[in-house]
Amino acid sequence: DAKTTQPTSMDCAEGRAANLPCNHSTISGNEYVYWYRQIHSQGPQYIIHGLKNNETNEMASLIITEDRKSSTLILPHATLRDTAVYYCIVRVWGGGADGLTFGKGTHLIIQP
Amino acid sequence: DVKVTQSSRYLVKRTGEKVFLECVQDMDHENMFWYRQDPGLGLRLIYFSYDVKMKEKGDIPEGYSVSREKKERFSLILESASTNQTSMYLCASSGTRDEQFFGPGTRLTVL
Repeated sequence: DAKTTQPTSMDCAEGRAANLPCNHSTISGNEYVYWYRQIHSQGPQYIIHGLKNNETNEMASLIITEDRKSSTLILPHATLRDTAVYYCIVRVWGGGADGLTFGKGTHLIIQP
Repeated sequence: DVKVTQSSRYLVKRTGEKVFLECVQDMDHENMFWYRQDPGLGLRLIYFSYDVKMKEKGDIPEGYSVSREKKERFSLILESASTNQTSMYLCASSGTRDEQFFGPGTRLTVL
């Protein structure tokens, strides 16, 4: 699986959009970008994933650059409950049967 | 609402004890996973199962075994607990959509 680089921490004001970057310059053509988050004392939570097109769901948007070497997770209207560690993972589509490897992630702190 | 439940949130055991961690999912998922999470080391895969009675070793299976007798239940067993197995244990399940649903975790302390 390709290596990812994320900032250690970020702040964002409540109500503003939170933009979390992820670099994955060694990504292969068949690798997807996945985002999970982990709120303190809880298990990780799946957010979104994509291959090369931008994706949006009820939680967030995922913007992948044309060369696929980086991506941005966007939380459009951050709330205090979005304070969490956000993990960017790059891996081949596993069909549900492969384990995940989490790096250190970005600690996003939403400020009131 | 989809759910993965784990038998305990907190557990304290003594060195040498046999420890069972239970995980149940209600989503009819084929795949289930056990991870441990330690500060500075991230999430590491211990074992996973893609079908009843099937199991596969993950990255750190030593000192652990698993059991999957029913589709909804996946158990992690520490045959003889040791202090270096003090950790947060997370169970997850997934179907074919490749998104994993995690339980709340069990914080195990081995004294």
